[in-house]
Amino acid sequence: KQEVTQIPAALSVPEGENLVLNCSFTDSAIYNLQWFRQDPGKGLTSLLLIQSSQREQTSGRLNASLDKSSGRSTLYIAASQPGDSATYLCASLSYNTDKLIFGTGTRLQVFP
Amino acid sequence: NAGVTQTPKFRILKIGQSMTLQCTQDMNHNYMYWYRQDPGMGLKLIYYSVGAGITDKGEVPNGYNVSRSTTEDFPLRLELAAPSQTSVYFCASTLTGEGNYGYTFGSGTRLTVV
Repeated sequence: KQEVTQIPAALSVPEGENLVLNCSFTDSAIYNLQWFRQDPGKGLTSLLLIQSSQREQTSGRLNASLDKSSGRSTLYIAASQPGDSATYLCASLSYNTDKLIFGTGTRLQVFP
Repeated sequence: NAGVTQTPKFRILKIGQSMTLQCTQDMNHNYMYWYRQDPGMGLKLIYYSVGAGITDKGEVPNGYNVSRSTTEDFPLRLELAAPSQTSVYFCASTLTGEGNYGYTFGSGTRLTVV
């Protein structure tokens, strides 16, 4: 059974810092690993999708890496801004099922 | 192009009542999912469907039922509502099982059972 864990659960940083959010998964037989953003009271917005054959994906100030052998993914946010404040969720899609399994999220606050 | 539409946005139920959460997508996606999100937690998969007429259980299916009579619609039925079902419910869809085309989420239904 796939289990996805995110560390830290919450993070509060001053504007301008570079951040690393961590995601661990137990089943390495995955199609892909995805990162989502969730604003309070809102749905989920897809940020980055890394295929199992890829090592990383980049979008603007966001960079996500994937290491299947160690069961880890990281989301790197460069030069953080107050507008980055949100909950960040990672999710893995396993070969053995068609289920997208989510981690518990990291709640990020960036203060001016 | 509306994406994934969920109704209602908010609902208060009394214990033992029943209701159906509606989910409709207009992207001709084959795969559809229902998740629940409890406060401060990630999303837990309730049920999913890989196409019209096909549904399967997720991690937390007890107390829920689904149907998929058309590609567009994937309603979630709560039969005897319990306080433990107080949560935010999200519907999602994607084109293929590999998820290569990304997932589209609805804006959620906030349900309170009292």
